This record gives sequence, structure tokens and C-alpha cells, in this order.
Amino acid sequence: ETGVTQTPRHLVMGMTNKKSLKCEQHLGHNAMYWYKQSAKKPLELMFVYNFKEQTENNSVPSRFSPECPNSSHLFLHLHTLQPEDSALYLCASSHNRETDTQYFGPGTRLTVL
Amino acid sequence: SQKIEQNSEALNIQEGKTATLTCNYTNYSPAYLQWYRQDPGRGPVFLLLIRENEKEKRKERLKVTFDTTLKQSLFHITASQPADSATYLCALNYGGSQGNLIFGKGTKLSVKP
Repeated sequence: ETGVTQTPRHLVMGMTNKKSLKCEQHLGHNAMYWYKQSAKKPLELMFVYNFKEQTENNSVPSRFSPECPNSSHLFLHLHTLQPEDSALYLCASSHNRETDTQYFGPGTRLTVL
Repeated sequence: SQKIEQNSEALNIQEGKTATLTCNYTNYSPAYLQWYRQDPGRGPVFLLLIRENEKEKRKERLKVTFDTTLKQSLFHITASQPADSATYLCALNYGGSQGNLIFGKGTKLSVKP
């Protein structure tokens, strides 16, 4: 295991639902990331937090709302999603924003009906 | 914008042979380049990092090269085994305030017994 956990591992939701994805890292890292991975496409960086402050929002639609209450926890709140938002959502952490290596969680497989 | 190409979407080789995966990029060279392994339904796992002033890096049966003239990195797995079957991702990082990892789409390696 990489030291990064994500829950739930699988999620099916309707377009009108509200749900949240949770990520927790046990590595003492200061930077955390949300990525989206769709079939046949490279990982897309969504959000970056460094020392609990959001440092990057990669033009992500407002129906995705991140929250970072402390350096160990990261949430992704979802509401009124579209079917094209179905993907694997990956959380990662690194020692700090400029550190070389990122450690990924197992991901949440999201299906939007 | 920077583009990364992993030439083969899929690579099939026989057990015991050397697998060679290619990562090409456009524009200027990154501060460093990383290779990750991803198994189905799992997050990527870091394998190797090579910096722009390094030509080659090794770790057990893995070897990475970095040619800034060709704008290319090669990833080799010697004496390949069926357990090496996975998708391998190349990622670039320009460091500092541009510290985002930019990922390629990956190459799916299948090692047949």
C-alpha cells in the first residue's frame, strides 16, 4: 500500500445526487492532489493543495468542489454531475508542492447515470 | 502547450525478453521525468525518476534513459516476467512553480509466458 487511502472505491450516482469522495494520507505530506482518469486519456490534474491552501484549479467545472480541512485529508464534493464525469478519480500526495514523487491512492471508480 | 507521446498504446512481448517503452515530448526539456506503473483498477505507483542532467538510471531490472537532444526517454525492463504486465506511464515535471506532473496516456505491456 502507498499510504494514501480513498473511499469509497466505487460510487454510482444519479445526476441530481450529491456525494463526496474522501482521501487520507498517512505519509506526513504537505501537498495533495485530485486527478481524473478517463479511458484512453492521460491523467488530468484537477486541484492542488499545498499546506491546506488551494494552489491550482485546472479549469474544473463548479460541480466539483474540493475541500482540504488539514494536510492529511482531502475531499471532493460532487453535485449535479453529468454522465461524461464518469471516470476513475485519483488522489495523490507529495512531500511538498515541488517534490519529485507523488503517491497515489487506489482511486474511486465513479459512474454517473 | 507541452505534449507527451508514449508511442505504443500496447506492447506484447515474450517472457524473458527486454521490454522497451518510449516517451517523447515536445518543446523544452523538463527538469525531470518519471515512470509509473498502473495496474487495472489501481492508482499509479512510482518506479523511477531521472533528471535532465542524467543520462541513465537503473533499479534492479529497470533502466531509464533520458536524451534531451532527441526529447525522448526510454524505459527498459530486462528479463521480463508475466508479473510485469501493466500500464506504464511517463510523466514530466518542470519543477518550481511549474511543479505539475504532466502524464502521457501510457503503454499497456503484456508479457506472455
